[in-house]
Amino acid sequence: QVQLVQSGAEMKKPGSSVKVSCKTSGDILSSFAISWVRQAPGQGLEWVGGIIPVYGTTKFAEKFQGRVTITADESTSTVFMELSSLRSEDTAVYFCARDFWNGSDLSGLLDFWGQGTLVTVSS
Amino acid sequence: QSVLTQPPSTSGTPGQRVSISCSGSSSNIGGNTVNWYQQLPGTTPKLLIYNNNQRPSGVPDRFSGSKSGTSASLAISGLQSEDEADYYCAAWDDSLSGHVVFGGGTKVTVL
Repeated sequence: QVQLVQSGAEMKKPGSSVKVSCKTSGDILSSFAISWVRQAPGQGLEWVGGIIPVYGTTKFAEKFQGRVTITADESTSTVFMELSSLRSEDTAVYFCARDFWNGSDLSGLLDFWGQGTLVTVSS
Repeated sequence: QSVLTQPPSTSGTPGQRVSISCSGSSSNIGGNTVNWYQQLPGTTPKLLIYNNNQRPSGVPDRFSGSKSGTSASLAISGLQSEDEADYYCAAWDDSLSGHVVFGGGTKVTVL
């Protein structure tokens, strides 16, 4: 059974960082990639970035370059997304999702999703 | 402003057929497959259609997808009240070393 379980809600101050975890079940990280998608209140879906754990390669949306780090710990089957220099516009629910990568790159085919983690940025 | 363009909303009565368009460019839809996600109110997005026109197990066959050139479309035939949700198209974009792009989402209302 495929499961992605994310860490709990976070409240952060502007300028600080947040690290969200996504614990995966089974052998996901040896065969699949993980993407992160966020959704601001009342808004649509926005891709943040992703990781292919078997290669350790990462890709990010241009707007997050330099501010986001995605890592994978295969020993605990957990993927982490860290976003720094937080601002109020980063307030959103952050989802991790299994990315059915095509053998060479992420694909955006997200077939299983975590439950989401609300990150609130407020002074 | 989303890279993929969808209408913000559409509606239909039960039993009707509704269609949602998704317009992109040669770097995304034109050269890669399209996936569609359904997000029911207050829930996590769910993969609805993948690789342009494939349905995951459990998705009713009244949902169908198609692609032509740099545009894609999702059709819902025999609209039901439980289909009231937000629908998003997505695709890989080959520009800027590659990234995933989403449409802005379409709210489907069942009248």
